[in-house]
Amino acid sequence: DIVMTQSPDSLAVSLGERATINCKSSQSVLSSSNNENYLAWYQQKPGQPPKLLIYWASTRESGVPDRFSGSGSGTDFTLTISNLQAEDVAVYYCQEYYSSPPKYSFGQGTKLEIK
Amino acid sequence: DVQLVESGGGLVKPGGSLRLSCAASGFTFSSYTMNWVRQAPGKGLEWVSSISSGSSYIYYADSVKGRFAVSRDNADNSLFLQMNSLRAEDTAVYYCATPRGGMVTAAFDSWGQGTRVTVSS
Repeated sequence: DIVMTQSPDSLAVSLGERATINCKSSQSVLSSSNNENYLAWYQQKPGQPPKLLIYWASTRESGVPDRFSGSGSGTDFTLTISNLQAEDVAVYYCQEYYSSPPKYSFGQGTKLEIK
Repeated sequence: DVQLVESGGGLVKPGGSLRLSCAASGFTFSSYTMNWVRQAPGKGLEWVSSISSGSSYIYYADSVKGRFAVSRDNADNSLFLQMNSLRAEDTAVYYCATPRGGMVTAAFDSWGQGTRVTVSS
């Protein structure tokens, strides 16, 4: 099974600054057939379900502010939140959807707070 | 708009059973793979099960295989999760979620609000 490992487990960033969250998969989630990385990022605020932010590692979901960006390929991925806003306080998860049969493994989550 | 509404959660004793439901609207349910994802208190997200649009393909996490059974009623736009032999570690909020475009290999773009299951004596 693919294991997803996020770092750090938590971080505190000042308003207006940049937050960077990393995600590493135990095996590549890059498909040779379509050259896509089967990697998503979610945001979860307290008491709410997760919200999809990024899919295919770098494609922003409709309605997601452009200060959220995803990058990386193969086994190493990054979620970057620029110009941090108070409403960005949340837990962020990466997820692979590459496995067959599906396992949809999630990272353990990264808690983002305001410094 | 896509709407997913889970129900059926509650308090159950270890070894007991519970059946969760997810009522779907706002999309062509019969064309979509559907998923269950759970989140234990204070913990991260764990995928539980997937069922293809026509119920031909069903998948489970190892942690629930043999105890949980997923099903769907396309005529009623409903998804179900029958949970048997429940354990304390099954305590969680259970979400139903749809993949983008209804595909198996896709990120989950719509989620319900979840239903809470507590397994305790």
